[in-house]
Amino acid sequence: GAVVSQHPSWVICKSGTSVKIECRSLDFQATTMFWYRQFPKQSLMLMATSNEGSKATYEQGVEKDKFLINHASLTLSTLTVTSAHPEDSSFYICSAPLGGRVYEQYFGPGTRLTVT
Amino acid sequence: QQQVKQSPQSLIVQKGGIPIINCAYENTAFDYFPWYQQFPGKGPALLIAIRPDVSEKKEGRFTISFNKSAKQFSLHIMDSQPGDSATYFCAASPDNTDKLIFGTGTRLQVFP
Repeated sequence: GAVVSQHPSWVICKSGTSVKIECRSLDFQATTMFWYRQFPKQSLMLMATSNEGSKATYEQGVEKDKFLINHASLTLSTLTVTSAHPEDSSFYICSAPLGGRVYEQYFGPGTRLTVT
Repeated sequence: QQQVKQSPQSLIVQKGGIPIINCAYENTAFDYFPWYQQFPGKGPALLIAIRPDVSEKKEGRFTISFNKSAKQFSLHIMDSQPGDSATYFCAASPDNTDKLIFGTGTRLQVFP
């Protein structure tokens, strides 16, 4: 199956700093990628849709100035958490659909962010 | 508001049992219903998916049953094994989008 990677797998940062998380589709191109947030023992909440060559689309309630998304190429999307605070600590997961639709949407392994 | 309700929250079965996880939705504009399996600290992995024009789909030990009129769908795991212990999420995709709306998850434990 298709592979989606994320880097880093875990990161610890101090409050007020910014953190960048990368999501790569390794063996297929993805014009669209998705970013999710998952708190412990909870479901995945869609944060935003990353669109190659255009602005990301954010879900209601997600601060676009805090969670900056850049889809730099057909295989790379980045999520930058700006001025991170402890409440931003979470598991961030990206996904990419294979074949241009939602069919066979592949998820990355996730990035654990801890803000101290 | 688009929602997918999932139950039960947790499930414990013995090896060989058939755990059943149920999901229900309200929005009729969903056209794709996948199930994902997630192990701790990992991203979700696609298990099986169904479209609303099909009432049942089976892949290996996993079966989806879909009831369009009731707006419900369920996952059955045949001959469950301890290695199936994980959290299972149902999801639904609105028409003409690639988005996925996830259910709340079911933590399954299969004891030997």
